[in-house]
Amino acid sequence: AQKITQTQPGMFVQEKEAVTLDCTYDTSDPSYGLFWYKQPSSGEMIFLIYQGSYDQQNATEGRYSLNFQKARKSANLVISASQLGDSAMYFCAMREENYGGATNKLIFGTGTLLAVQP
Amino acid sequence: ETGVTQSPTHLIKTRGQQVTLRCSSQSGHNTVSWYQQALGQGPQFIFQYYREEENGRGNFPPRFSGLQFPNYSSELNVNALELDDSALYLCASSLVIAGQETQYFGPGTRLLVL
Repeated sequence: AQKITQTQPGMFVQEKEAVTLDCTYDTSDPSYGLFWYKQPSSGEMIFLIYQGSYDQQNATEGRYSLNFQKARKSANLVISASQLGDSAMYFCAMREENYGGATNKLIFGTGTLLAVQP
Repeated sequence: ETGVTQSPTHLIKTRGQQVTLRCSSQSGHNTVSWYQQALGQGPQFIFQYYREEENGRGNFPPRFSGLQFPNYSSELNVNALELDDSALYLCASSLVIAGQETQYFGPGTRLLVL
């Protein structure tokens, strides 16, 4: 069964420094998608970045990059130049490609709470 | 802004009651998914609707049901509420950009069952 594991319940980072949030996944499906979402205290899940299982290059979106290591089944999120507004819960998620014909089911990890310190 | 809205933002119900949560997405988002997020957990998939038909379901009992309408709005109905139904309920609609389909979430409805 597909599973996402986030082993860091909480992380601290100093403002302007880079931080890496860990994510490992388990799937037997050769085709899958990996996502990172940010959830501020308001509750809304904000899409950050996507990596496809067949993508050759690591995804980047502004200050966000995804360190995709397929053989190790890891998809770590790197946030560069942290800002106070980055303080939030971060979730790694995997799209299950062959779920009874539905292609959009997301499986989430338990999240990492990031606190950016001034 | 994702263009996905949900109502109400907060709701308090008592055990045994029924509740209807609503979601509205942008034109063209023909797939909507609902998730339940208990406190301190990641969201759990409830079900998905595509073109007004249920297209996949997670491990939730039949008292969780839904509807999707032609105007890209949808509903999540929960009957016979239980205390454990207290959670944040998120809807997400799907949009294809550059060949990649991504789910965009609404702000959620916080349900408290007493």
